[in-house]
Amino acid sequence: KNEVEQSPQNLTAQEGEFITINCSYSVGISALHWLQQHPGGGIVSLFMLSSGKKKHGRLIATINIQEKHSSLHITASHPRDSAVYICAVRSARDGGSQGNLIFGKGTKLSVKP
Amino acid sequence: KAGVTQTPRYLIKTRGQQVTLSCSPISGHRSVSWYQQTPGQGLQFLFEYFSETQRNKGNFPGRFSGRQFSNSRSEMNVSTLELGDSALYLCASSLFFRVLPSPLHFGNGTRLTVT
Repeated sequence: KNEVEQSPQNLTAQEGEFITINCSYSVGISALHWLQQHPGGGIVSLFMLSSGKKKHGRLIATINIQEKHSSLHITASHPRDSAVYICAVRSARDGGSQGNLIFGKGTKLSVKP
Repeated sequence: KAGVTQTPRYLIKTRGQQVTLSCSPISGHRSVSWYQQTPGQGLQFLFEYFSETQRNKGNFPGRFSGRQFSNSRSEMNVSTLELGDSALYLCASSLFFRVLPSPLHFGNGTRLTVT
């Protein structure tokens, strides 16, 4: 079983729909990152979370540390949101230092006009 | 402010050769990390440097190595290339390492093809 699991793997939505991508992890973490990758390879960091909720424009990210679960929501989806969304966790090492980054397999989102 | 710069963008090498990839972080960023991305395995963590010291290392064979210079620029080297090393290699820089988690800023990657 992977240490970071994302669902769904693929998601097709109509423009304007509300979208949710889920991420569950099994290790202790110091932070969780949501990343966006467009065709061509470039990766953009959307959010870094240690607790609670963050909002940026139409994107909202939440994390529940006790349940080891995070969600990325896109409100009023648009075709330009079509991309792969990747969840990554920064593992926590003994003594509080930061460990390795562990990635989910990604969710491929396609938003149709 | 210039972003993270990776060179070269594309590289074709033959099995058995070695390759060196370069990453220049955002000015002021002292942490640089490297990643391999393949269609089968997705993104995998290679290693991370802060203040010229390797702080974390992923589960890759010793053929994969890296270093960081005093100006925070980093290089990674792969020796004795194998066909399976064909991948997109990405680096990312961040402001801090030890104190607090920091957002990652990714370069556009180097696409390596091994024939």
